[in-house]
Amino acid sequence: EVQLQESGPGLVKPSQSLSLTCSVTGYSITSNYWGWIRKFPGNKMEWMGYISYSGSTSYNPSLKSRISITRDTSKNQFFLQLNSVTTEDTATYYCARRGYNPYFDYWGQGVMVTVSS
Amino acid sequence: DIKMTQSPSSLSASLGERVTISCRASENINNYLSWYQKKEDGSVKLLIYHTSRLQPGAPSRFSGSGSGKDYSLTISGLESEDIATYYCQQGYTPYTFGAGTKLELK
Repeated sequence: EVQLQESGPGLVKPSQSLSLTCSVTGYSITSNYWGWIRKFPGNKMEWMGYISYSGSTSYNPSLKSRISITRDTSKNQFFLQLNSVTTEDTATYYCARRGYNPYFDYWGQGVMVTVSS
Repeated sequence: DIKMTQSPSSLSASLGERVTISCRASENINNYLSWYQKKEDGSVKLLIYHTSRLQPGAPSRFSGSGSGKDYSLTISGLESEDIATYYCQQGYTPYTFGAGTKLELK
């Protein structure tokens, strides 16, 4: 069974970088697409970006040059880095698998990240 | 970006009741519409993809329909395990989600 698990610091200071890891078991990240989605306090959800089976990336333009998604195929992990965070980046961050159609069929449990001094 | 307008934002229903949630896209999304269920424990599941295709493992009481800009999710008979927040998502990058519908028991 495909399983995803996010990990990383739960507290980040403003202006610093947020770094999260998604560990995948039961499926190789050299297939499909692997994305990050966040849910803000309240209900709003935002797609942040994904990395493909080949290593190419696609990002939400709203995040401009702040975001980077990379991977380590030897560990079957992919990573999110979000630079210059503000309190508005406080959210629960999910990693998810996107199939060859534009839907996310497997999700991690989510990790809550608070941006605060 | 394609804006997804989801309604209602919250809904109270009784067990066994038929429930319908709607999503309207700001432009034609050609059936690239999916529905997700988010439980209070934070878990998220894909229920419906490409408008009406039931994700394997999702209960058959969930169904989807629509075309063009307008789509809906129906639960044919509400069960207690369906209490959750539901989101629609359109399939053109940047992918965007509806604002969510919080479903509660009456």
